[in-house]
Amino acid sequence: AQKITQTQPGMFVQEKEAVTLDCTYDTSDQSYGLFWYKQPSSGEMIFLIYQGSYDEQNATEGRYSLNFQKARKSANLVISASQLGDSAMYFCAMRGTVYGGATNKLIFGTGTLLAVQP
Amino acid sequence: DSGVTQTPKHLITATGQRVTLRCSPRSGDLSVYWYQQSLDQGLQFLIQYYNGEERAKGNILERFSAQQFPDLHSELNLSSLELGDSALYFCASSVAVGVSGNTIYFGEGSWLTVV
Repeated sequence: AQKITQTQPGMFVQEKEAVTLDCTYDTSDQSYGLFWYKQPSSGEMIFLIYQGSYDEQNATEGRYSLNFQKARKSANLVISASQLGDSAMYFCAMRGTVYGGATNKLIFGTGTLLAVQP
Repeated sequence: DSGVTQTPKHLITATGQRVTLRCSPRSGDLSVYWYQQSLDQGLQFLIQYYNGEERAKGNILERFSAQQFPDLHSELNLSSLELGDSALYFCASSVAVGVSGNTIYFGEGSWLTVV
């Protein structure tokens, strides 16, 4: 079975500093995708970044980068130069291999609540 | 704006009632997913449709049902509502099943409060 683990329920970071949010996963699939989503207090779920299991380079999207260590089964999110607007819940998610008619639903972790302090 | 539209954004209803949540996927997306987010259960996958057909079922109660219409919009029907059904219900969409790289985009959610 697939599983996502986020061990940090909450974190604080000073504005303009970098922060790393941890995510480990468990899967027996050879091909899979890892995602990070941001959920501000207003509730919407915002896609941030994607990493495929066969991607050789770590994904980056602006101030977001994904530190992908396949052997350790970790996919940590790094936010550089934190801003007050980064305060939100962050979810790591995984989608497994799709075979024919199989589903490609996302499995989510429990989330990390990030608070950016001025 | 993700391009996924959900209505209504907020809904308050009484126990025992029935409600319908509506979702319009992003233009061109064939696959629609429904998720429930509650404080005690976290994010739970409910059901997935692809081009009008049910593709996968998750932790969806028998009191809940969904469908995807020919124009690809989807509805989630919740009946005999209980206090514990109070949650944020998300619809999400993606281009297709079988394309491992494509992203699943979420709507803003429908907040359901059962009183």
